[in-house]
Amino acid sequence: AQSVTQLDSHVSVSEGTPVLLRCNYSSSYSPSLFWYVQHPNKGLQLLLKYTSAATLVKGINGFEAEFKKSETSFHLTKPSAHMSDAAEYFCVVSAILWNDMRFGAGTRLTVKP
Amino acid sequence: NAGVTQTPKFRVLKTGQSMTLLCAQDMNHEYMYWYRQDPGMGLRLIHYSVGEGTTAKGEVPDGYNVSRLKKQNFLLGLESAAPSQTSVYFCASSYSVTQETQYFGPGTRLLVL
Repeated sequence: AQSVTQLDSHVSVSEGTPVLLRCNYSSSYSPSLFWYVQHPNKGLQLLLKYTSAATLVKGINGFEAEFKKSETSFHLTKPSAHMSDAAEYFCVVSAILWNDMRFGAGTRLTVKP
Repeated sequence: NAGVTQTPKFRVLKTGQSMTLLCAQDMNHEYMYWYRQDPGMGLRLIHYSVGEGTTAKGEVPDGYNVSRLKKQNFLLGLESAAPSQTSVYFCASSYSVTQETQYFGPGTRLLVL
């Protein structure tokens, strides 16, 4: 069984400051991990994914995430927030059993001017 | 390419009515999925399909049926709608197993009165 916990339901930052969205996972397998972003009234779009290659993964729009097996974490970061980053972010864990894909509850990111 | 499209965008039903949601993809993907998104719960998998003519249950299949008669289409049916099925429904597709990127449609907002 797998599960994902996004530690913050809402994060608020000022434009130009760093972003940290936290995700912990639990998996019985060697998981793949994803971050998706959802802008208001839109579908989900892939930001980045980890599939057992490099532990530091770079994604689109300046986001990156580091897979830390010892801490079972996959936190999403960005050095400098932009107003356009305001959205809902979902951490996802997936394994070979392909109906075993679990989404976190989501973190809503607010960016203040 | 249109990607993944969903019809309709919004629908209001009365309890007991039936309806079908249509998902179409033009990326020649084998795998297709239906999710529901509820506040504070992330996305939960309803049903999925590994290819034309196949369907399988996901995490929350009760009250829903699906069909995949053509590779590019995946239909989600509600035979007798209930207020608990008020949600936003997302369709997604992927080339192969769930460790691959999923591509999401824009969603269908369903309100059951």
